[in-house]
Amino acid sequence: EAGVAQSPRYKIIEKRQSVAFWCNPISGHATLYWYQQILGQGPKLLIQFQNNGVVDDSQLPKDRFSAERLKGVDSTLKIQPAKLEDSAVYLCASSLASTGPEPQHFGDGTRLSIL
Amino acid sequence: AQTVTQSQPEMSVQEAETVTLSCTYDTSESDYYLFWYKQPPSRQMILVIRQEAYKQQNATENRFSVNFQKAAKSFSLKISDSQLGDAAMYFCAYRDTYGQNFVFGPGTRLSVLP
Repeated sequence: EAGVAQSPRYKIIEKRQSVAFWCNPISGHATLYWYQQILGQGPKLLIQFQNNGVVDDSQLPKDRFSAERLKGVDSTLKIQPAKLEDSAVYLCASSLASTGPEPQHFGDGTRLSIL
Repeated sequence: AQTVTQSQPEMSVQEAETVTLSCTYDTSESDYYLFWYKQPPSRQMILVIRQEAYKQQNATENRFSVNFQKAAKSFSLKISDSQLGDAAMYFCAYRDTYGQNFVFGPGTRLSVLP
């Protein structure tokens, strides 16, 4: 089966600019996650979708970050405006279900560098 | 809030030897799930093994096994017959039964020496 697809793989922008990341989960996976992974740290959950509804966005900096999952499939994560501390790898993951021992399947991530 | 701690930032093991990575967590829940993920330099996170808290039997996947001590809130990963391809960052993760509160530890970087 095809894995979680993310694009772009790398992005370099200047602070105060905007950037968007795209994620296509594994077909049939109802749950989609966006994580921020700062260098040397574990991933931090930003937002979790169940189909096209938000389950958890408690750690999403809503003044600058937004995410949507139209039609319950693809998702985009946007940062506007970017700050230096947003430099990180942004990981997308999906799972068949959010409950039970169902594991998450991760994409390759997008490495964002803020100049 | 749930927390996951990995007290070993770096570990090394000789090829073919056994190594144990430590993980402790904090939760007030009685039922939850624990995971070990591997992240090679290529960056894609891969599931290694998972454990349901209600199961007393420790999970095993080929050369990988866990020592789950629920009372102590400990969840260590044992890698037997270590191979060069096992070199990676290893993350311990917790998730509650409602499918939320997915928390990762800070990771342990494992080096395998030939």
